Amino acid sequence: KQEVTQIPAALSVPEGENLVLNCSFTDSAIYNLQWFRQDPGKGLTSLLLIQSSQREQTSGRLNASLDKSSGRSTLYIAASQPGDSATYLCAVGNYGQNFVFGPGTRLSVLP
Amino acid sequence: DAGVIQSPRHEVTEMGQEVTLRCKPISGHDYLFWYRQTMMRGLELLIYFNNNVPIDDSGMPEDRFSAKMPNASFSTLKIQPSEPRDSAVYFCASTPQFSGANVLTFGAGSRLTVL
Repeated sequence: KQEVTQIPAALSVPEGENLVLNCSFTDSAIYNLQWFRQDPGKGLTSLLLIQSSQREQTSGRLNASLDKSSGRSTLYIAASQPGDSATYLCAVGNYGQNFVFGPGTRLSVLP
Repeated sequence: DAGVIQSPRHEVTEMGQEVTLRCKPISGHDYLFWYRQTMMRGLELLIYFNNNVPIDDSGMPEDRFSAKMPNASFSTLKIQPSEPRDSAVYFCASTPQFSGANVLTFGAGSRLTVL
């Protein structure tokens, strides 16, 4: 059974810092991995999707990487801003198990 | 497209009452998912449908929960009778297919409070 973990559980950084969020999964038989953002009291918004054949995806200040063999993905946020404060969740698309979510990393970017 | 649409956005009810949550997936999406999110347990999959057919309902907590998808554009999640421990945010999500390039799109959620 696929298990997804995220480290750290919470992170607080000053504005302008570059930061890395980590996602680990136990079963490498995946077809994609997605990173989502969730603001308090809101739904989940898809940020980046990496297909299993890809190594990374970039969107603006965000870069996500995928290493299937080691069961890891990272989300890199460059030049963080207070508006980046939210909870970030990774979700793994599994053959036969659909999508399994990690518990999330709660990010606070201080002005 | 208006995205995944859920209603109601907020529901407050008393224990023992029936609750019905509704979802309209994105047109053309063959898969529909119901998730529940709580602080303690995070995001949990309750059930998902493919082409209106329930595929996996192993996440439905007990017989008080039921879900239907009478057509491609509408699904309901019903709780009868409701209990305080059912208080959570319930999300509906949809995706075209289980393939690498397809994003899972969420609705805004229905926040349920059972008193």
